[in-house]
Amino acid sequence: KQEVTQIPAALSVPEGENLVLNCSFTDSAIYNLQWFRQDPGKGLTSLLLIQSSQREQTSGRLNASLDKSSGRSTLYIAASQPGDSATYLCAASSGNTPLVFGKGTRLSVIA
Amino acid sequence: GAGVSQSPSNKVTEKGKDVELRCDPISGHTALYWYRQSLGQGLEFLIYFQGNSAPDKSGLPSDRFSAERTGGSVSTLTIQRTQQEDSAVYLCASSLAIWGGEQFFGPGTRLTVL
Repeated sequence: KQEVTQIPAALSVPEGENLVLNCSFTDSAIYNLQWFRQDPGKGLTSLLLIQSSQREQTSGRLNASLDKSSGRSTLYIAASQPGDSATYLCAASSGNTPLVFGKGTRLSVIA
Repeated sequence: GAGVSQSPSNKVTEKGKDVELRCDPISGHTALYWYRQSLGQGLEFLIYFQGNSAPDKSGLPSDRFSAERTGGSVSTLTIQRTQQEDSAVYLCASSLAIWGGEQFFGPGTRLTVL
């Protein structure tokens, strides 16, 4: 059974800092891994999708990497801004479950 | 529509009542998913549809939960005889393909059972 873990659970950084959010998964036989952002009281916004055959994806200031052999993914945010404050969720698609989510990292970027 | 829509956005009900939650996926998306997000519990997968078919219902929390999809489009999640532990945000998502497809989420329905 796939399990997804995200570390840290919460992170507070000053504006402008580069930061890395970590995600690990137990079953490396994934179809893909997806990173989402969730603002308080809102639904999920898809940020990046990495297929199992890919190593990384980039969108603007965001870069996500995938290492299936070690069961890890990282989300790199460059030059963080207060508007980046949100909860970031990673989710792995594998087996019979379309997405298994981690519990998220709550990010606060302080101006 | 431009995105996944869900209704109602908020639902308050009394224990024991039945509720019906609706999801309208992105046009052309054959796959549709239901998740539940409870306070402190994270996101829990409930059920998915490929077209109108739900091959695996084992993720539904109890037999009080059921879901259907008609015309390969709109889906409804029904909870019978609601309990307080059913209080949560119910999220719907859709994608072009089941396996490997990027999922797009709706805003959710916040269900409160008094």
